[in-house]
Amino acid sequence: AQSVSQHNHHVILSEAASLELGCNYSYGGTVNLFWYVQYPGQHLQLLLKYFSGDPLVKGIKGFEAEFIKSKFSFNLRKPSVQWSDTAEYFCAVNEPSGTYKYIFGTGTRLKVLA
Amino acid sequence: DTGVSQDPRHKITKRGQNVTFRCDPISEHNRLYWYRQTLGQGPEFLTYFQNEAQLEKSRLLSDRFSAERPKGSFSTLEIQRTEQGDSAMYLCASRIDEQFFGPGTRLTVL
Repeated sequence: AQSVSQHNHHVILSEAASLELGCNYSYGGTVNLFWYVQYPGQHLQLLLKYFSGDPLVKGIKGFEAEFIKSKFSFNLRKPSVQWSDTAEYFCAVNEPSGTYKYIFGTGTRLKVLA
Repeated sequence: DTGVSQDPRHKITKRGQNVTFRCDPISEHNRLYWYRQTLGQGPEFLTYFQNEAQLEKSRLLSDRFSAERPKGSFSTLEIQRTEQGDSAMYLCASRIDEQFFGPGTRLTVL
């Protein structure tokens, strides 16, 4: 069965620090990859997605992620975080066929200090 | 605003009562999903509809849970004889390429 691991459960950074959140998945076949963000009191929103092509994906709000197939990883990065990036971040994968249901990681709670 | 709406946003009930939640997906999305999210966890898949057909159910969906999507539009999720372990956020999503999530219904079972 597929699984997704997010090893950083809580991250605290100061504004302007660089961010990298890890995401590893276990599945031998082709997958689609996603990062979602949940700001306090709001619903899950898509940050970026990878289906195929360039493994470096750029998303909204200055976020990017790199798909490394050999490492089964899809880490999220941002060069300089802002206080408004305080949120919970979820990595998800799905198979590009069938139901397309998501398998989520447990999430990483990011707090950015002003 | 993603366009997926859920009602109610919060529900407090006593153990043993039945509850029903509603999800209205984005109108052109024929695929609809229900997930459950508990504290400290990511959302977990419960069930999937393509149009009105329920095509997959998770093992998490016990016999006390039932979901419908009449006419392939809105969907309902009913929990019968609620238990304290049912307390969670219940999320609905609809998709074309990626899934768009609603705000969720937070269920508290006392």
